[in-house]
Formats: sequence, structure tokens, C-alpha cells
Amino acid sequence: AQSVSQHNHHVILSEAASLELGCNYSYGGTVNLFWYVQYPGQHLQLLLKYFSGDPLVKGIKGFEAEFIKSKFSFNLRKPSVQWSDTAEYFCAVIGGSQGNLIFGKGTKLSVKP
Amino acid sequence: ETGVTQTPRHLVMGMTNKKSLKCEQHLGHNAMYWYKQSAKKPLELMFVYNFKEQTENNSVPSRFSPECPNSSHLFLHLHTLQPEDSALYLCASSQGRDWRDTGELFFGEGSRLTVL
Repeated sequence: AQSVSQHNHHVILSEAASLELGCNYSYGGTVNLFWYVQYPGQHLQLLLKYFSGDPLVKGIKGFEAEFIKSKFSFNLRKPSVQWSDTAEYFCAVIGGSQGNLIFGKGTKLSVKP
Repeated sequence: ETGVTQTPRHLVMGMTNKKSLKCEQHLGHNAMYWYKQSAKKPLELMFVYNFKEQTENNSVPSRFSPECPNSSHLFLHLHTLQPEDSALYLCASSQGRDWRDTGELFFGEGSRLTVL
């Protein structure tokens, strides 16, 4: 069965610090990978996605993620976080042509001003 | 505003009550989903509907009963729930059931359910 692992439950950073959130998945075939973000009191929304091509994907608000197939990873990065990045971040994967979107447990990011 | 509206936003019910959650999408999508979000657990896919037909029931107990009268509306009927069913229930829609269409789900803000 497919699964997604996010290793950090809660990350606390100061503004301007660099961010990297880990995501690993288990699926041996073709995958499509996503990061969703949920700001406090708001709905889940797509941050970025990887389907094919350049494994370094750029998303909204200065976020990027790198797909490393050999490591089954899709880590999310941002060079300099802002207080407004405080949110919960979910990694998700679709495996195969008709798979469902499977989510990780989420990582809560708190940015101190 | 996501184009996916869920009501009610908050619901408190006893174990013997019958209630329903409603979801409406204004995006012209063909697929709709129910997810359960519990603290410290991954989002759990519950049901998938494509063109009003249920295509996925992820081993959900029968006390949860979905209904999809058309591609724009999705209900989750609740009956004799347990306290462990307390969670945030998220509705989502997508343009197509085939992920190759867009691969993106559009979520509502959720219905926070508390079972006493």
C-alpha cells in the first residue's frame, strides 16, 4: 500500500531562517507528488506539484520542492521564511494512473517574528 | 474562497442523533471526495464519487452514509456515531477522476464534528 511519511511533526523557526520539510513515500511505480498547505482557519490549498520533467519544482510564495527518485523523497524548501508562512504543510502522492491522493500526517510550521 | 462550500462548519451531536454534512462545489468538477482529518493522523480518504457514481469506499463504517445526487452536491449522512468519530470532515472536488487531468483537489474549509 502507498504511504507518505513526514518526519517532523512541528518545526519552529525564526523569520529569515531557511526551511526544509522532509517527505518520503513508498510506491515503486510512477508517482505524482504534491505539497498542500493549510493556513490557520483556512482550507487546504495546493502549494506545488510534480508530474514529470524538471525534478526541481517551484511553487507559490517562494516555495520549491525537489523530487529525488532514488531516495523516494520530495522535500519542501524555502530559503527565508516569513511569519505568514505559519501553517500546516502536507505532502501527498498519487501512485499509478488511477491512484488516490494519499496524504502524510502533516508538519506544523511556526515562524516566530 | 475555494469554490467548495461545506455546511455546517461546526456540528455537535450525541451518539444517537442523525445529522448530515453538506458539500457543494461551484467549479464544474466531476469528481467529489470525503476526507477525514484527525489530529496527528494523515488525512483519510473515505469516499470518492465520479459523475455521481461511487467509485471508492475506503472501508468506512456503515454509520457514515454518503449521497451524491448530482456532480455539484455531496452529502455525508451520520447515524449512531462514536466519540472517536470526532474530527474535521473535508470535502474536495477535482476536474476529473483521472489524476492526469489536473492532479489537483480543491478543498472546502471542513465541517468540525464533535460526538458526545
